Amino acid sequence: GAGVSQTPSNKVTEKGKYVELRCDPISGHTALYWYRQSLGQGPEFLIYFQGTGAADDSGLPNDRFFAVRPEGSVSTLKIQRTERGDSAVYLCASSLDRTGIYEQYFGPGTRLTVT
Amino acid sequence: GENVEQHPSTLSVQEGDSAVIKCTYSDSASNYFPWYKQELGKRPQLIIDIRSNVGEKKDQRIAVTLNKTAKHFSLHITETQPEDSAVYFCAARAAGTSYGKLTFGQGTILTVHP
Repeated sequence: GAGVSQTPSNKVTEKGKYVELRCDPISGHTALYWYRQSLGQGPEFLIYFQGTGAADDSGLPNDRFFAVRPEGSVSTLKIQRTERGDSAVYLCASSLDRTGIYEQYFGPGTRLTVT
Repeated sequence: GENVEQHPSTLSVQEGDSAVIKCTYSDSASNYFPWYKQELGKRPQLIIDIRSNVGEKKDQRIAVTLNKTAKHFSLHITETQPEDSAVYFCAARAAGTSYGKLTFGQGTILTVHP
C-alpha cells in the first residue's frame, strides 16, 4: 500500500518567513511523529501525535514551531519567523496504534532551506 | 533522557566481507531497538529491529544482537554487497512511553567496495 508521503519535497524560504510542511501517514496508522535531520546527523525527535492530540511535544525547539493533526490523519508542521538554523530535512513517520507494535515508517522528508 | 552512541562513524569493507556497527544506550528501561538504512537523499528504511526480551534476531544476511546488561546492541551484515552501501542508524525507544519517540545514533557511513 501507499507509504508515508510529505509535501513539498523541497522548500526554500527567506529568513523571517512562515512555512508549513505537510505529512500524510500510512492509512490506518494513528500514531504520527515529526523528526528533524541535519546534515550528517541522525533524526532528532520533535513531536508525536496519538490521534488528534500531541502526546509528546518535548522535542520542539521553541515556540516558533507548532504542529497540528486536526482529523487524526494528515499533520502540518508550522514554523514561524524562520531562521537559517531551521534549515534541515523534516521527516514524518507513522506507526500502528497498538501495544507492542513499535515500528515507525518514514516519509521521504521535506528539505527546508532558509536563506 | 535517552542517549545513543554509535560507532564507527565510517566503515569501509570489501564485497563479501562482514560489517559490524555498534551502539550503546543510556536508559536501562529502553525496550525496543530498530536499525534504519538511509541511502543518499532517501527516507530512512527499517531493516531490522529487536525487543528487550530477545538477545538476537536474524533476517537473511543481517542480524542484530542485544546485551541488556552492558546496554549495547549491534548490527551484523554478512556477505556484504555494493548495494549495502548507505548510512545506517541505530535507535532506542524508552519504555514507559506507549508509542513514543525514538532516539537515534549519529549514523555509520558504510561503503562496500566491489
